[in-house]
Amino acid sequence: AQKVTQAQTEISVVEKEDVTLDCVYETRDTTYYLFWYKQPPSGELVFLIRRNSFDEQNEISGRYSWNFQKSTSSFNFTITASQVVDSAVYFCALSEANTGFQKLVFGTGTRLLVSP
Amino acid sequence: NAGVTQTPKFRILKIGQSMTLQCTQDMNHNYMYWYRQDPGMGLKLIYYSVGAGITDKGEVPNGYNVSRSTTEDFPLRLELAAPSQTSVYFCASSSEIGGRFRDTEAFFGQGTRLTVV
Repeated sequence: AQKVTQAQTEISVVEKEDVTLDCVYETRDTTYYLFWYKQPPSGELVFLIRRNSFDEQNEISGRYSWNFQKSTSSFNFTITASQVVDSAVYFCALSEANTGFQKLVFGTGTRLLVSP
Repeated sequence: NAGVTQTPKFRILKIGQSMTLQCTQDMNHNYMYWYRQDPGMGLKLIYYSVGAGITDKGEVPNGYNVSRSTTEDFPLRLELAAPSQTSVYFCASSSEIGGRFRDTEAFFGQGTRLTVV
């Protein structure tokens, strides 16, 4: 069965600190996608990144970076030099071939609080 | 582009009442979904549709119904509202490119906050 675990319920940091949000997933499928979404206080869901199971290259986008490791079934998200605007709930999600790529299974989210 | 539009944004229902949450998308996406988000939890799939006239149950379908008569619209119906249906509801849509989902992502609406009292 597919499952996404985000063990960190809430993280508090001071602005300019680096912070890593952990995501561990379970799947029996060999073909799957992993996602990160951001949910700011306004409530909408903002897509951040998608990674497929065949591409373990790490990715960097500005202050954001993602570390995908199939050996540990993890897809961690690091924010460098955090800013107050990064305060949000961040969700990791998984979709797999067997159940239809388009169906997302979400973790419970990590609330990030960045204080000035 | 409007993307995925949900109405209403907020609603309070009494137990036993019924209502329809509206969702429309203007991206010509063939796939549409309804998720619910309970406090402190991730999103859970209620129903989804792979195209007009085709719907299927997700993880938590009890107490809900859907229909998909057009590509654009995917309403969610609550027939007999219960306190357990107090939640934030998200509609989403996605598409495939060249018959593959490789380059797809789900686009979400702004959500509908529903309270059943």
